[in-house]
Amino acid sequence: DTAVSQTPKYLVTQMGNDKSIKCEQNLGHDTMYWYKQDSKKFLKIMFSYNNKELIINETVPNRFSPKSPDKAHLNLHINSLELGDSAVYFCASSQGWRDSGRYFGAGTRLSVL
Amino acid sequence: KNEVEQSPQNLTAQEGEFITINCSYSVGISALHWLQQHPGGGIVSLFMLSSGKKKHGRLIATINIQEKHSSLHITASHPRDSAVYICAVSFYVQGAQKLVFGQGTRLTINP
Repeated sequence: DTAVSQTPKYLVTQMGNDKSIKCEQNLGHDTMYWYKQDSKKFLKIMFSYNNKELIINETVPNRFSPKSPDKAHLNLHINSLELGDSAVYFCASSQGWRDSGRYFGAGTRLSVL
Repeated sequence: KNEVEQSPQNLTAQEGEFITINCSYSVGISALHWLQQHPGGGIVSLFMLSSGKKKHGRLIATINIQEKHSSLHITASHPRDSAVYICAVSFYVQGAQKLVFGQGTRLTINP
């Protein structure tokens, strides 16, 4: 059973479209994260939710809106996609929002044409 | 300048060699993470440590808080260890946790 699963694995879309990436974890963790890995392979935190509450919101455009319907899910919705949004997006989870090991999903490769 | 610097950026070695990857950081941290990213892109969390040393199989991670430095060692390296190894540090700014990643070290182990 996959611990942290993201869908889709690949997403190719046109500029201006709206798209969502879903993330689910079956580890019983209470904290979930979204990270962005750019073309230079740098990973950056985007959002973190603890018990469905937003606790980290880095400088991310308003076009990105995370939604956490419950502790096991953290979805990422992106409006008006731009070329610069092309990247690999990783979801992760951990138990507790203070320093604990992260479990990562396999990543979603988003290509905006 | 990034708060986290790794060295070397690229490392190629022969199977069986002892590998060391270094991570230096410039801020006071609450924890340091070592991650492994496979060629297929998946990321695995290897260690999280805030002091001392941890060992898991052939992997050893150490941290020196005073020197703001951590090392990841791989003993008896194997081609399947080929991956990008990423160091990340977590710290708090105005009560909010930040996690900053190094640029990664690409390790290639040749048979």
